[in-house]
Amino acid sequence: GAGVSQTPSNKVTEKGKYVELRCDPISGHTALYWYRQSLGQGPEFLIYFQGTGAADDSGLPNDRFFAVRPEGSVSTLKIQRTERGDSAVYLCASSLRYATEAFFGQGTRLTVV
Amino acid sequence: AQTVTQSQPEMSVQEAETVTLSCTYDTSESDYYLFWYKQPPSRQMILVIRQEAYKQQNATENRFSVNFQKAAKSFSLKISDSQLGDAAMYFCAYRSEEIGNQFYFGTGTSLTVIP
Repeated sequence: GAGVSQTPSNKVTEKGKYVELRCDPISGHTALYWYRQSLGQGPEFLIYFQGTGAADDSGLPNDRFFAVRPEGSVSTLKIQRTERGDSAVYLCASSLRYATEAFFGQGTRLTVV
Repeated sequence: AQTVTQSQPEMSVQEAETVTLSCTYDTSESDYYLFWYKQPPSRQMILVIRQEAYKQQNATENRFSVNFQKAAKSFSLKISDSQLGDAAMYFCAYRSEEIGNQFYFGTGTSLTVIP
């Protein structure tokens, strides 16, 4: 596609439920990043993929968070047993392997009630 | 870990005037990249300008320019001839030269453009 696409745009879920957030990167981009942006804050790193493998998952806050990228393209961020503190905008970005800048999607606003 | 500091939570500028947004960062690395991203209400982060640390010349993109002071670890953004469409959150970001390394973002500056 022309840009990074994230679905859904908004997601409201109940505390304790499981959610999946999807990211469709720019075609040909091998690097993919997930960030979390809380209200009034800058984006915080969660995980980085190079191809199918997670090259750096040091930003995942706990074992309720998990992300996959099985075919090296689309990625899914999975959150189990959601908590109200998980409410935030989840941003995805992609880049070419040797590029310096990344291109961001419009984010998914997750609200846990 | 590297830290990025934006000390101006909010700034305002008259349309057609010039405004400067401040950013400082902390790193022990000598090679890295610095960025300014714009985030309008649509939430999508849009790259405004990029600076390679090894380049002494300040980057310029049309009405946007930076003042990069490597020794002082300062990276400010100047917006000239401000337009209503410039109103947004602006984030300063740092990235190591190592391939695939993550971006570190500041807390952002909310820019209002007054007609």
